[in-house]
Amino acid sequence: EDKVVQSPLSLVVHEGDTVTLNCSYEVTNFRSLLWYKQEKKAPTFLFMLTSSGIEKKSGRLSSILDKKELFSILNITATQTGDSAIYLCAVGDNYGQNFVFGPGTRLSVLP
Amino acid sequence: GAVVSQHPSRVICKSGTSVKIECRSLDFQATTMFWYRQFPKQSLMLMATSNEGSKATYEQGVEKDKFLINHASLTLSTLTVTSAHPEDSSFYICSASRTSPYEQYFGPGTRLTVT
Repeated sequence: EDKVVQSPLSLVVHEGDTVTLNCSYEVTNFRSLLWYKQEKKAPTFLFMLTSSGIEKKSGRLSSILDKKELFSILNITATQTGDSAIYLCAVGDNYGQNFVFGPGTRLSVLP
Repeated sequence: GAVVSQHPSRVICKSGTSVKIECRSLDFQATTMFWYRQFPKQSLMLMATSNEGSKATYEQGVEKDKFLINHASLTLSTLTVTSAHPEDSSFYICSASRTSPYEQYFGPGTRLTVT
């Protein structure tokens, strides 16, 4: 059975801290791993990763995929209170049909 | 690009009535659309996957007669909650994917409240 595991499930930090969120997966016919940020409404897309070892960056956020060890990390540097959200990891199969979501990491950034 | 809209964004209905939620991909053709349900403080729960012109594939435990999904075109999918009950109150989110690059684009969601 396909599954996606995220850790930690919950994290509280102070502004300025750097956080690393983890996502590991067991999926047949892996195609892509996606990170989303969810605040009050629907998730917003952050990154899509398909190749190992290639870091994707967007401002203070970066992510990398390890297809051999079957995991990805999402780093956020110099956190701000606006980073408080649930960060979802999802893995897509080779046909673009099936996606499996992890439970999410709830990040709280305190001032 | 890759914008997905949902309508309505918020709906309140009485128990026993049916509610239709529309999901549209505005600037791309979506071969697959997904319907999710989210309970407060929980992750997304996939309800069903639909491909244009064919029947939706429902996840285990999701009543297909209660949650009717129609994917009539490459830009429109609808979810109808039939004979709604208060326990159906939730946040329903759709997403759409293109054949490449296998990303999902989420709609803003629809908050359903059944009284």
